[in-house]
Amino acid sequence: QQPVQSPQAVILREGEDAVINCSSSKALYSVHWYRQKHGEAPVFLMILLKGGEQKGHEKISASFNEKKQQSSLYLTASQLSYSGTYFCGTVHQGGSEKLVFGKGTKLTVNP
Amino acid sequence: KAGVTQTPRYLIKTRGQQVTLSCSPISGHRSVSWYQQTPGQGLQFLFEYFSETQRNKGNFPGRFSGRQFSNSRSEMNVSTLELGDSALYLCASSWGQAGELFFGEGSRLTVL
Repeated sequence: QQPVQSPQAVILREGEDAVINCSSSKALYSVHWYRQKHGEAPVFLMILLKGGEQKGHEKISASFNEKKQQSSLYLTASQLSYSGTYFCGTVHQGGSEKLVFGKGTKLTVNP
Repeated sequence: KAGVTQTPRYLIKTRGQQVTLSCSPISGHRSVSWYQQTPGQGLQFLFEYFSETQRNKGNFPGRFSGRQFSNSRSEMNVSTLELGDSALYLCASSWGQAGELFFGEGSRLTVL
């Protein structure tokens, strides 16, 4: 039931864009995105509920395709502060509302 | 507003011992979740408590257990420690179920 994230790692130069994908084999109720910087606790970015809505946080936005059971996180004009590991978490429809995280995508932004 | 507090922050145990980790959630939060983090495995869900009741449990052996007290503070216990239990154990609290999680800085357990 663990969602699958891709890519596992990505390296960018400051100002470049990136997309992180999260997919599930089961119907989703919601998708949650967190960022964890090295040596720190994960920090909440956003929650997307079924319905295909798109949300934003600074220059970071995300979409949720309910039919494909996928979510994508878009990082636009990346900044050095965006470096860290991004985790998506999923809650399945009709389930116990357990939030299960993927293995993470490590993002490195270089000057 | 105080954040989520986890104690101890670091501990070293030997195989076969047991350990208890503590988590104090943000004031007013009634839900507490525990995750195990190891390199390459992400955040593995252990269990979730709400109002002293375990609502969800992950796929961990029975050596892993937890509880929540009436003041929402939570503890998790691991008995008969194995080398593979070495990890960062993160606690997170939230207002309700499947909402925004506020993570503590974790308890780093090393099993020798």
